[in-house]
Amino acid sequence: EAGVTQFPSHSVIEKGQTVTLRCDPISGHDNLYWYRRVMGKEIKFLLHFVKESKQDESGMPNNRFLAERTGGTYSTLKVQPAELEDSGVYFCASSLLGGKNTGELFFGEGSRLTVL
Amino acid sequence: DQQVKQNSPSLSVQEGRISILNCDYTNSMFDYFLWYKKYPAEGPTFLISISSIKDKNEDGRFTVFLNKSAKHLSLHIVPSQPGDSAVYFCAARERGQNFVFGPGTRLSVLP
Repeated sequence: EAGVTQFPSHSVIEKGQTVTLRCDPISGHDNLYWYRRVMGKEIKFLLHFVKESKQDESGMPNNRFLAERTGGTYSTLKVQPAELEDSGVYFCASSLLGGKNTGELFFGEGSRLTVL
Repeated sequence: DQQVKQNSPSLSVQEGRISILNCDYTNSMFDYFLWYKKYPAEGPTFLISISSIKDKNEDGRFTVFLNKSAKHLSLHIVPSQPGDSAVYFCAARERGQNFVFGPGTRLSVLP
């Protein structure tokens, strides 16, 4: 069974440009999360989808960030326009919903974003 | 304002000895706690968890202890192995599955 996959693994862009990160969760996982780790600090929550609905987007830093999950399958996270402080590793994670949910998140390998 | 704190950024332990990683939290609404391990250039992987109704959970060489009154949990690894060298994240879940992570502790197990 395929795990959580993220693309691209690394993106280098200029300040002001746009980047779109993609996440494919484990098949059948209704919960999808985006997290960010900046400069080796804590892994910070950005938002949570349940199927195609945004359950919690309290961690989104500002309106330059837009996350979508059309059809409740894969998700994209767009940063437009990118700023220097957006640099970091963006992790996507997924988990089951309901009685089988032990609380375990399955993480992807992350997309490293470098804004110059 | 960090709700989950790991005050030791790094820890070095001799192979075969016990590794103790600590985590403190401030939110009394957390009901589920997890430890994740992360190798370089990889995503975090789930290691072990504990519910707030328990004070200990053991899985092989890994044991997690929870002290609710002190809002403190710890991960014990015994015996430590070089392959355990990684960054360990403590995480806590509020109701509604919103996970909060600590900043991580880098464990180095020396051969």
